[in-house]
Amino acid sequence: QQQVKQSPQSLIVQKGGISIINCAYENTAFDYFPWYQQFPGKGPALLIAIRPDVSEKKEGRFTISFNKSAKQFSLHIMDSQPGDSATYFCAASRGGSTLGRLYFGRGTQLTVWP
Amino acid sequence: NAGVTQTPKFRVLKTGQSMTLLCAQDMNHEYMYWYRQDPGMGLRLIHYSVGEGTTAKGEVPDGYNVSRLKKQNFLLGLESAAPSQTSVYFCASSYWAGGEAFFGQGTRLTVV
Repeated sequence: QQQVKQSPQSLIVQKGGISIINCAYENTAFDYFPWYQQFPGKGPALLIAIRPDVSEKKEGRFTISFNKSAKQFSLHIMDSQPGDSATYFCAASRGGSTLGRLYFGRGTQLTVWP
Repeated sequence: NAGVTQTPKFRVLKTGQSMTLLCAQDMNHEYMYWYRQDPGMGLRLIHYSVGEGTTAKGEVPDGYNVSRLKKQNFLLGLESAAPSQTSVYFCASSYWAGGEAFFGQGTRLTVV
């Protein structure tokens, strides 16, 4: 059973537009929700993360919106640039457990056209 | 500070051959993970380790074995490679369970 569901699978956005990627989860014990960015030929790297005690977190052009009641969170990329073209993964985990681990969504391939 | 280093970067195996992928981290992290990445499937956890000498199965452990004899190293073994194991393999480590994962650059494995 997939713990984190991500959509869309691929996304094409014009330069300067807003890119939005959505994720949903089932396990209410999750308390850490990161987004990872992966460029071709590289490993994923942490982009931004949020905890459920806040509804939004912004870092530069990247914003996570979090809806605890709906068990959904999303990544917004404002003023999208060709350099943002990459694969984005959402993830979730439960802290406080030595067996904790990240559960990843299946990824979204973002292409930003100049 | 190298972070997470994977060896080798590329490998081609014949069906039935064995090999070991090496992961080394220099951040003194307790937790280490092996993932495989396939198109449309995202990152799937193979095995992970919560400390030296301990390992646990992830979502897709069949056909793989792991060992964590030293805290800084996590080895992934394929005893008898199959074409279905053609994939990109990523190692990662984290300071706390489920926390920020630092990934290596990946190993592209092709089994023919």
